[in-house]
Amino acid sequence: GIQVEQSPPDLILQEGANSTLRCNFSDSVNNLQWFHQNPWGQLINLFYIPSGTKQNGRLSATTVATERYSLLYISSSQTTDSGVYFCAVANFGNEKLTFGTGTRLTIIP
Amino acid sequence: DVKVTQSSRYLVKRTGEKVFLECVQDMDHENMFWYRQDPGLGLRLIYFSYDVKMKEKGDIPEGYSVSREKKERFSLILESASTNQTSMYLCASTDREGRYEQYFGPGTRLTVT
Repeated sequence: GIQVEQSPPDLILQEGANSTLRCNFSDSVNNLQWFHQNPWGQLINLFYIPSGTKQNGRLSATTVATERYSLLYISSSQTTDSGVYFCAVANFGNEKLTFGTGTRLTIIP
Repeated sequence: DVKVTQSSRYLVKRTGEKVFLECVQDMDHENMFWYRQDPGLGLRLIYFSYDVKMKEKGDIPEGYSVSREKKERFSLILESASTNQTSMYLCASTDREGRYEQYFGPGTRLTVT
C-alpha cells in the first residue's frame, strides 16, 4: 500500500514563529488532506489539497503531486496551533485514507 | 456544519466484556469509518462502511466487528475486550461525491483492565 512519511516528528516553537511541515508519499494520489488534532483529541480537517496551493488565514498548503510531497505552512504561530498535524492520502479509486504518523507541534508563549 | 458524535468520551471495561462504540453523523454521508489511534502509530483503519449493511475490512479488523443498520449510525463492537484494545477510537464520515473530505467525531478513549 501507499506509504506516508511526515517530518519533523516533533517541533517546538516560540509564539509568533513560522513553521513548515512536510508530507512525502510513495505513489500517485488523487486525495490528500491535512488535519489538526487538538490536545483534547478532536481531529479537524484543515485542507483538501491533492494538488496546487490553498490558503486559509495563517495556514496554507501546497501539494506538488508530480514530486509526491505536500507542505503545510503555519505563520505567526499561536498557542492554539499546538497539537498533532496529520497528512492523509488516497490513490485513484480508493476511498480509504492512509495516514502519516503526524508532526507534534508545541507553541510556547 | 457536519456533526459526527460518539456515544462516550471515556470508557473503562473489563477483559472479556462485550463493548459497543456508537457513532452518529447528521450529514447523510454514505461512507463511515472506524479508526484506532495509538502513540507512534498514527491512525489505523479498523473497518469501513460504504452503505447500509455494507462493510469492508480495514488494516486491523481482528477482534472487532461492525454494524450499520441505518445510514447515520455506525457501531464498532469488541466481541471480547482485551487489554491490547486499550486505545483511542475515532469515527469519521465522508460523502461519496466530490472530495471525500473526512469529518471526525471527538473520539472515545477506551481502557480495558
